[in-house]
Amino acid sequence: GENVEQHPSTLSVQEGDSAVIKCTYSDSASNYFPWYKQELGKRPQLIIDIRSNVGEKKDQRIAVTLNKTAKHFSLHITETQPEDSAVYFCVGNQFYFGTGTSLTVIP
Amino acid sequence: DTAVSQTPKYLVTQMGNDKSIKCEQNLGHDTMYWYKQDSKKFLKIMFSYNNKELIINETVPNRFSPKSPDKAHLNLHINSLELGDSAVYFCASSQVGGNQPQHFGDGTRLSIL
Repeated sequence: GENVEQHPSTLSVQEGDSAVIKCTYSDSASNYFPWYKQELGKRPQLIIDIRSNVGEKKDQRIAVTLNKTAKHFSLHITETQPEDSAVYFCVGNQFYFGTGTSLTVIP
Repeated sequence: DTAVSQTPKYLVTQMGNDKSIKCEQNLGHDTMYWYKQDSKKFLKIMFSYNNKELIINETVPNRFSPKSPDKAHLNLHINSLELGDSAVYFCASSQVGGNQPQHFGDGTRLSIL
């Protein structure tokens, strides 16, 4: 149940641009897909999640899309700001975290 | 009030020692977890308890033994510490099951000398 692939591992964007992070999971029974943000030296915190009965969910500048057929889901951050700089983790196959994406927003 | 609290925040000890990390949550959650985050920032689940019952036990050395005296507490005891045990250990909790948001503690940074 561990195979949750996350890409890219690092991502640098200019302030105001968009950032997209993608995860692929393997367990067909998975039905809950959260994203966590971890700032340097801090704990992971949930920023958005989606359940398998919907294909997209949006919360202000953050959105998550889910493709159950292809077994992948993506995090979209629009109008990025320097405070978005952090490591982002997806979770698939119930308890398994992706390998993380270090996002840097350049002012 | 801190929702998920871990103690200690930092733990520096010699190889071969035995140490414990405590975790308590006041959210009324039924499920608690221990994760290990290594130097590459990978977050790997170690154990999960649901209402004091072990439901997940990943391929963790048996030097690691979790104990849940009640559903609000999940402690982690580590015997014969090794250099490779150096990491940040996070406790988390959620409502019952693996399909709920997890709330994390602030982590315990374990350094083995």
